[in-house]
Amino acid sequence: GQSLEQPSEVTAVEGAIVQINCTYQTSGFYGLSWYQQHDGGAPTFLSYNALDGLEETGRFSSFLSRSDSYGYLLLQELQMKDSASYFCAINAGNNRKLIWGLGTSLAVNP
Amino acid sequence: DADVTQTPRNRITKTGKRIMLECSQTKGHDRMYWYRQDPGLGLRLIYYSFDVKDINKGEISDGYSVSRQAQAKFSLSLESAIPNQTALYFCATSEFRGTDTQYFGPGTRLTVL
Repeated sequence: GQSLEQPSEVTAVEGAIVQINCTYQTSGFYGLSWYQQHDGGAPTFLSYNALDGLEETGRFSSFLSRSDSYGYLLLQELQMKDSASYFCAINAGNNRKLIWGLGTSLAVNP
Repeated sequence: DADVTQTPRNRITKTGKRIMLECSQTKGHDRMYWYRQDPGLGLRLIYYSFDVKDINKGEISDGYSVSRQAQAKFSLSLESAIPNQTALYFCATSEFRGTDTQYFGPGTRLTVL
């Protein structure tokens, strides 16, 4: 079957760096995505990794290791507005439909 | 204008009523999805459609039905609403480019009394 695991909650302080991990089990893996969702809002796309390595977009970076079935989202210079839920999702199967993790709630404190 | 719109944004209804949630998109995407979100349970897929003639059940389709009236429109119906269908419902779209990057509507908050 297919499954993803990510921590349910993470807490950090403003200005710090936080890493949200995601491990997955699947066959026919194509890539790992990350989405951000603020309270009461809609999920929005952050990043996609198809190949091993680190992808950087501003303060956010995403990493993938296909051999370890593992990825992470790295948030640097944390700001209060980064308080949100972060979902990892894998792109897998013949139809490449997204399979979602349960989300990690990030609280950024002053 | 928003690329993915949902109507209504909020709805309160009573047990046993039929409810329709509507989704429209101007992104020109073939793929459309309906999810429900409950606290702590993430996004759970109800139904999805890869084109106008293609409808597929997701992981929690019982008690729901859908209609893909056109490429741009995908409606979700609750034939006889029950209180445990109280949730936040999202419509999403994507195009098949390998990543299945999904674009979400603003959500419909449904309360069934």
